[in-house]
Amino acid sequence: SAVISQKPSRDICQRGTSLTIQCQVDSQVTMMFWYRQQPGQSLTLIATANQGSEATYESGFVIDKFPISRPNLTFSTLTVSNLSPEDSSIYLCSVGQIYEQYFGPGTRLTVT
Amino acid sequence: GENVEQHPSTLSVQEGDSAVIKCTYSDSASNYFPWYKQELGKRPQLIIDIRSNVGEKKDQRIAVTLNKTAKHFSLHITETQPEDSAVYFCAASLSGSARQLTFGSGTQLTVLP
Repeated sequence: SAVISQKPSRDICQRGTSLTIQCQVDSQVTMMFWYRQQPGQSLTLIATANQGSEATYESGFVIDKFPISRPNLTFSTLTVSNLSPEDSSIYLCSVGQIYEQYFGPGTRLTVT
Repeated sequence: GENVEQHPSTLSVQEGDSAVIKCTYSDSASNYFPWYKQELGKRPQLIIDIRSNVGEKKDQRIAVTLNKTAKHFSLHITETQPEDSAVYFCAASLSGSARQLTFGSGTQLTVLP
């Protein structure tokens, strides 16, 4: 399976600021996704990062709050904007192979 | 959209016993069902999956069964070991490929030595 890395692994941010999370894959992949995992909860899909076009957002997630870039087939960024304490979560990228989906190590965000 | 329900939310078993976790899904078009194991502070890891053209799949001590008529699938772990302790998530995919995974709520499995 692909090797997936994320930066930063964790961060503490102040309310009202933004955090950009990077996801890097060691091989070209067709599909990349961004998930949120709130403390003690399951995984919720934020959006599908499409190479060369706008991301596809799930219900309840909007581009102004979670802008996503995907400049090539090995890299994507997720920005969480205008942070509030409710944004404190783990954010994970994942990549899709033919069927399987594999996750990056996650970014733990704490908003103070 | 798809809805996946998972039971139980917590499960404790004695080492060596079997554990069963069950999930139901709502959309009959779903045709790919993976299971993930997430240890504390780590990423979810794919442990086994099943596609809709198969009723059962085994990998050593882990097996998954699928009943498409009833729209439910289950994870079976035999001869449990303390290192099996983790949160397990089921998921379902509408398209049958690695996209649009909808996750269940998770099961905290504790294997008691």
